Amino acid sequence: DAMVIQNPRYQVTQFGKPVTLSCSQTLNHNVMYWYQQKSSQAPKLLFHYYDKDFNNEADTPDNFQSRRPNTSFCFLDIRSPGLGDAAMYLCATSGHRGAGELFFGEGSRLTVL
Amino acid sequence: KQEVTQIPAALSVPEGENLVLNCSFTDSAIYNLQWFRQDPGKGLTSLLLIQSSQREQTSGRLNASLDKSSGRSTLYIAASQPGDSATYLCAVRSTNAGKSTFGDGTTLTVKP
Repeated sequence: DAMVIQNPRYQVTQFGKPVTLSCSQTLNHNVMYWYQQKSSQAPKLLFHYYDKDFNNEADTPDNFQSRRPNTSFCFLDIRSPGLGDAAMYLCATSGHRGAGELFFGEGSRLTVL
Repeated sequence: KQEVTQIPAALSVPEGENLVLNCSFTDSAIYNLQWFRQDPGKGLTSLLLIQSSQREQTSGRLNASLDKSSGRSTLYIAASQPGDSATYLCAVRSTNAGKSTFGDGTTLTVKP
């Protein structure tokens, strides 16, 4: 059974139209991550939550926001998507105060028209 | 800042061949190193996790080693199969920030 579930798997939006991607987990892990991955590149960390503590990467654009209403769910909001935001967005979780194994979802592929 | 390099970027081998993928990192202060497989358009599937105190881990035809002092890890795949064709990424979890840094991956093609 899938332990990290991302929805939707595919999202098409128009330039500037807000998008929300969701991630849920059944592992009860305290750390959740959002990565952006462009074609043939390494996943790039956008931000992560340690419990409810939000940690933003220094180079993550303000256009990207996140919410974690409870342990199981985390959302990625892209307020005004640009063409350069087209990518695969990956959610991951980790236990053991963030030092444990990373578990990934299947990803959400975002297309911006 | 941790930097992770994977060599080669792409590899093509005939079915049945044994092969080695390489991962190097610059900062040896790590919690663990994890190898992933990624199929086109999909998420990352964990293959092996090596804790900083371990030297190697094995799962089926896969064997991963870790030499923390030299900043290197290898993923050995025995008797490769066409189903092994995918991109393989390594991720290093650093102790100073508690987050993982990924390499760009090695894209493996196994020809029947």
